[in-house]
Parts: sequence; structure tokens; C-alpha cells
Amino acid sequence: KAGVTQTPRYLIKTRGQQVTLSCSPISGHRSVSWYQQTPGQGLQFLFEYFSETQRNKGNFPGRFSGRQFSNSRSEMNVSTLELGDSALYLCASSLTGPATNEKLFFGSGTQLSVL
Amino acid sequence: QQQVKQSPQSLIVQKGGISIINCAYENTAFDYFPWYQQFPGKGPALLIAIRPDVSEKKEGRFTISFNKSAKQFSLHIMDSQPGDSATYFCAARRRNSGAGSYQLTFGKGTKLSVIP
Repeated sequence: KAGVTQTPRYLIKTRGQQVTLSCSPISGHRSVSWYQQTPGQGLQFLFEYFSETQRNKGNFPGRFSGRQFSNSRSEMNVSTLELGDSALYLCASSLTGPATNEKLFFGSGTQLSVL
Repeated sequence: QQQVKQSPQSLIVQKGGISIINCAYENTAFDYFPWYQQFPGKGPALLIAIRPDVSEKKEGRFTISFNKSAKQFSLHIMDSQPGDSATYFCAARRRNSGAGSYQLTFGKGTKLSVIP
């Protein structure tokens, strides 16, 4: 069974640009969560999608948005990039989400660098 | 506001020694406490988890100790090996109102280096 796939693996953008990251969950998984990982702050929760609906959202500005498609694939978008957005963005999938003590399966992430 | 405080930030242990990583929380609504292990270039992977009605859980060389009254929990790695060198994150789960969903809050991580 293929794991969680995130593309692209690396991305370099300049301030003010926007970026779209993609996540393909494990087949059959309906919950997709996104996290931002930085050396100083660790993993911070961005949002969770379940059956194409945003079920939960972290404390990030509106520049960060996401969506989920009918096949459970998810994208996140960051508009008007800032230097502080440089981070590893991780996607995690599970069958139904954290509610049932399920394992979250993480992808290897997209390393975003904003210059 | 950091809801889960993890220490130490980094840890160096000799092969065969015991590695101990501590976490503390304030929110009594947390109801599930997993630990994740992350190797360079990889995403985190669930290592072991505990519920607050249990004081200890052991899986192989990994043990979680949980102190509900002190709102603290810790990961012990017995007989630490160089292959255990990784970053370890504690986490805590709480239910969110309204949506019926749950959210994981992570500590900032501990970089463990096990030297031969």
C-alpha cells in the first residue's frame, strides 16, 4: 500500500508569490491534516479536512487555505508569501481522523523556502 | 501559547543508556497522548501512545510514564541504540467544540543523539 505522497518535495519562491502544495493520502483514508514544521516552533496544526469539508483549523492567517477533493487528495495554498513561511509542510492522513486513536500517517513533506 | 512543553531540546546518550524525554501540559481536556519519531528527511511516525487512565505503557524498549495529577508524561528509551537517533515529539489530543473533531497539539521536539 502506497504511503502518503506529497509534491513537490522542494520549492523555492519569492516574497509575495503564492504556492500550492499537494497531498495524496493513503488509499481509503478520508481525513487529511496539514502541519507546518519549523525548527523554532515544532509542528503546528494548520487544518484538517474530512470528506471534502474543513473540519478543524489552527491559528494561522487567512493566507493559508486548503481544500480536499472527492478522491481525498488535498491541496494547501499560501498566498502573498512571507519570509516566515519558510518551513517543512507536512500532510498526514488517517481513516477518520484523530478521534478514534488512529495512527496519523505522515508524508515526507514539502520543504518551502521563501527568498 | 504553547500548550505542550517538551524538554530537553536536545539529548546525547551513550549506547546502552536510558533516554528520557519529558512533556508537560496544562489543558485538562487532553485525552490521548502519542509520541512520534522523526528521522531526517522523513515525516513523523507514531511510536507509542497512552490514555490518561493508564500510568504506564511499555512497548519493547519504549515506555511512556504518565502522571495525571502533575499533568506530565515522559518517554523512556531503554538500552538506547544509535538507530534511535531521531527527533521525538510528544503530542496531546483534545476534542474541539462544534465540529466534533479532534486536534493534536505537538511539543517542539527533542533531538536525540545516541553515540556508540
